[in-house]
Amino acid sequence: DVKVTQSSRYLVKRTGEKVFLECVQDMDHENMFWYRQDPGLGLRLIYFSYDVKMKEKGDIPEGYSVSREKKERFSLILESASTNQTSMYLCASRHRGALEETQYFGPGTRLLVL
Amino acid sequence: DAKTTQPPSMDCAEGRAANLPCNHSTISGNEYVYWYRQIHSQGPQYIIHGLKNNETNEMASLIITEDRKSSTLILPHATLRDTAVYYCIVRVGRGAGSYQLTFGKGTKLSVIP
Repeated sequence: DVKVTQSSRYLVKRTGEKVFLECVQDMDHENMFWYRQDPGLGLRLIYFSYDVKMKEKGDIPEGYSVSREKKERFSLILESASTNQTSMYLCASRHRGALEETQYFGPGTRLLVL
Repeated sequence: DAKTTQPPSMDCAEGRAANLPCNHSTISGNEYVYWYRQIHSQGPQYIIHGLKNNETNEMASLIITEDRKSSTLILPHATLRDTAVYYCIVRVGRGAGSYQLTFGKGTKLSVIP
């Protein structure tokens, strides 16, 4: 089974703090994604990575950056957390060679910024 | 990507089959049907996908009509742990690149003891 793990299930941070969210997958997938999910807005893509050291902006990259130094790990960084970044953050991975768009998600990190 | 229509909610008795419908009348020939579900406070979980033929795996069966304009996800023996929001997504299959998944409102399935 594909396993995608995220470093924390719940996180509470203060406005202005730098926040690191870590995601690790164990299936040698090339593609990795960071989404946020908010009530009424569905899933929104923040950043994705085709492969190691590659990254592309999604729909809402402002206030975020990412790092992909190793194939299995994709980190999301909130440079200076703000209250409007309170959300559920979801990491996903996918095998690049797959014709289908099957993505495997982690359990999510629920971030509260005070 | 083709739009999908799902009922907002359904109930199913524990142990019975849960049949979740999805309409995708504008589906084109190279679009796949995917099903995901999301249990409360967890990440989405891939269930199954198909193009034309019916598919079955350890979690569920997917029945696609001959004209491909609708499909049904079948959970053969629903348990309380199957209570979740189920999303039907229609997407073109691609061999490269990465594309975000867009979930609609889905169907809230409640499995009742």
